[in-house]
Amino acid sequence: EIVLTQSPGTLSLSPGERATLSCRASQSIHSDYLAWYQQKPGQAPRLLIYAGSDRAAGVPDRFSGSGSGTDFTLTISRLEPEDFAVYYCHQCHSSPRTFGQGTKVEIK
Amino acid sequence: EVQLVQSGAEVKKPGESLKISCKTSGYSFTNYWIGWVRQMPGKGLEWLGILHPRDSDIIYSPSFQGQVTFSADNSINTAYLQWRSLKASDTAIYYCATSAPRDDYVHCFNYWGQGTLVTVSA
Repeated sequence: EIVLTQSPGTLSLSPGERATLSCRASQSIHSDYLAWYQQKPGQAPRLLIYAGSDRAAGVPDRFSGSGSGTDFTLTISRLEPEDFAVYYCHQCHSSPRTFGQGTKVEIK
Repeated sequence: EVQLVQSGAEVKKPGESLKISCKTSGYSFTNYWIGWVRQMPGKGLEWLGILHPRDSDIIYSPSFQGQVTFSADNSINTAYLQWRSLKASDTAIYYCATSAPRDDYVHCFNYWGQGTLVTVSA
């Protein structure tokens, strides 16, 4: 099973600041099979990034994904009030597919 | 427009059985994997497994193998998640999700249902 470890667990930032979220895999993953989701309280997860770095339609360009192999990053260039949420990375490279434990981005 | 609409919240007693549904529309149901994800109260996302409606190929997470059963009714484009004997620890929100194409991407979960809250309490 591929274990995804996200860091930090919580990120306390102010609107306008840059957020950098990390996702490290226990084994190498092809970037085609790495996705990022955003989840707000009381809502279902929402696809932000697929194939490691491609933004889903409708996702603002302040969100970007990068990485390869075992290290992946989600960057929010300038935080907007609606970006404060929990973010999960997910691998669909091999079964069982797995999620990271999540990074909460909270208002400082 | 791809839509996944899940059945409503359930309150059950330990030992009872339950089947929840995920009705899909807007894509070819039999061509793409559909799966289930658990979120226990205040916790993260856990992958239960996936089912391919065309041939009923199923992959369960080892953590959930034998605890739940997946099925589908291709005539009504609906997937199901079933328990034979619920436990209090099954209390969670359960999401269905599909890899139906989004921007030509067909690998990870692209679309999600709204979730079904299952509460198991004596």
